[in-house]
Amino acid sequence: AQKITQTQPGMFVQEKEAVTLDCTYDTSDQSYGLFWYKQPSSGEMIFLIYQGSYDEQNATEGRYSLNFQKARKSANLVISASQLGDSAMYFCAIPHSSASKIIFGSGTRLSIRP
Amino acid sequence: ETGVTQTPRHLVMGMTNKKSLKCEQHLGHNAMYWYKQSAKKPLELMFVYNFKEQTENNSVPSRFSPECPNSSHLFLHLHTLQPEDSALYLCASSQGHFVVLAGSGETQYFGPGTRLLVL
Repeated sequence: AQKITQTQPGMFVQEKEAVTLDCTYDTSDQSYGLFWYKQPSSGEMIFLIYQGSYDEQNATEGRYSLNFQKARKSANLVISASQLGDSAMYFCAIPHSSASKIIFGSGTRLSIRP
Repeated sequence: ETGVTQTPRHLVMGMTNKKSLKCEQHLGHNAMYWYKQSAKKPLELMFVYNFKEQTENNSVPSRFSPECPNSSHLFLHLHTLQPEDSALYLCASSQGHFVVLAGSGETQYFGPGTRLLVL
């Protein structure tokens, strides 16, 4: 069964600094993918970035990048040059084996200080 | 309108009330989902619909009744709820319910949610 673990319930970061949000996963699938979502206080879950297990290069989307280390089963999200608008909950997620649903972690609340 | 919309955004109801949550997606997707997000708990999948057919019911109590009249609309009918049902209810859609297979990169797109408070 798939499992996602986010060990940082909350983080405070100074504006313009880089921040790394941790995510470890467990899966028996040979082929899988990892997603990161952002959830602002408004509630909407916003898709940020995705990486498949067979992708050789770490995914990047603007200021977001995925530090994917298969051997350690970790898929950390790196946000460069953090902005006040980055303050939100961040969720790591992995598709369930049945492929009809995504398993979400418990989330990390990121707060950016001005 | 674009994306996934949900109405109402906020709802307060008594335990004897009957209400409905509405979700509409404008993305041409074929699969729609209801999730429940309670405080300090991971997101919980409730129902999955693919081409209007329910493909997953994640052991949800019968006081929650989903309805999917077409691929663009999804409802969650609520009756005789309990205070512990207070949560954020998120709707999502995807191209198809198998597209989150690894390697595809397809994902689910979420609406803004309905914050439900049951008194």
